[in-house]
Parts: sequence; C-alpha cells; structure tokens
Amino acid sequence: NAGVMQNPRHLVRRRGQEARLRCSPMKGHSHVYWYRQLPEEGLKFMVYLQKENIIDESGMPKERFSAEFPKEGPSILRIQQVVRGDSAAYFCASSPVVETGASNTGELFFGEGSRLTVL
Amino acid sequence: QKEVEQNSGPLSVPEGAIASLNCTYSDRGSQSFFWYRQYSGKSPELIMSIYSNGDKEDGRFTAQLNKASQYVSLLIRDSQPSDSATYLCAVSGWDSSYKLIFGSGTRLLVRP
Repeated sequence: NAGVMQNPRHLVRRRGQEARLRCSPMKGHSHVYWYRQLPEEGLKFMVYLQKENIIDESGMPKERFSAEFPKEGPSILRIQQVVRGDSAAYFCASSPVVETGASNTGELFFGEGSRLTVL
Repeated sequence: QKEVEQNSGPLSVPEGAIASLNCTYSDRGSQSFFWYRQYSGKSPELIMSIYSNGDKEDGRFTAQLNKASQYVSLLIRDSQPSDSATYLCAVSGWDSSYKLIFGSGTRLLVRP
C-alpha cells in the first residue's frame, strides 16, 4: 500500500492518559501535515513537519500537544493528559514538495485518520 | 466571519442531474483552491484544484473560480448515487501555501 498510513485507526483513552498517533507518509513524500476534524466541522490545520524539523505549528494548542517527524520512522502526534474535548478525528497528510506558486501547491494526500475517543 | 464558508446542506439532487456546490472565502490573498470529497468515516480525497479565474473541467467535474467575488464552485454533471458524500472546499495563501483552510463541507445526496 503506497498511501499515507495512520495508526491506530481508533483509540480510546480515559481523561488524563496519553495518546500517540502515528503517520507514515506516502513513499517519496517528505512533508507531513496533521489536521484535526471535530464532528460536523471542517479540518483544522495543526502542524507541518519535514524530517527532523517543525516548519509551522501555529495550529497546535500550546499545551499538551506535540509533534515530531524523526529521521527514521513515522511522524508522531502526541497528546498528553487528554481531555474530552480532544475527541476528534486526526488526519495526517503528505506531499512530495511545497513550492509557492507551483501548480502542485497544497495538493495533499490524506490518510484514513485516527479517531480518538476520550472517556 | 469564517474564513471559508459552505452551506452544510444536505443538497439533494436526483440521479443524472447537475449538482452545484458553492464556497466563499474571506482572504483576498488566497492563491490555490481545492475541492475534496469525503465519504463518511473516510479520508478526504482531492478531486479538483484550480488556481486562476475561470472554469476547469475534469470529466464530470467542473470547478469555477471568481477571485473578484471570492467565490469558488464545483459542478457535478450526471450525478450518480456514488457521488453522495461531503464535499470540502479548501483554500491556501501564497505565503503559506501548505496550510489549507477548509470549509465545514456540504453534504450531497444523489437520489436514485
């Protein structure tokens, strides 16, 4: 499967626990993005990463949330001390290149998402 | 004011009809415009992108962009029941082209 791979697909946590969501981009893609989708709402940008670099984390909550994309292995979105409001679908997307003004700007390939439920 | 606005629907059309989906955006600096289709419980799938004023056709789909009116639309000709899904409009700006701003989506129902 050459698509964006996310796991787990479903995750249940109790308040105060930690959630770790993993994303492997499409083969050949070095740019990873995390989006969050609350019920009946559009996707909200959280963070944009390249290998070993956070490029833009302007959409990430200031506390409890962190993201990384190590040199080896998948990108990880980590949510510490989860609360009920964190319940959402978390989508990862990847792209091969991002060039301002280029015709492929913004064309993202999304994974199937990780659905987090906080009890 | 929301940055990207869409009517939530549902928009119900009979099979074979033209479905017209609309989207407005607030940032005049937006440069790239996309339509994604999302089936319930599934990932968004890119179906159309448009970067300049006018129409862009791809099969049964036509995207229309009017930057002066800050308006982008998607027409689906010969609608099929399999087109029933939520259609998400997304825009990005020249200075942060990777950051897509999504609308909340329009749910389309195509009646057999």
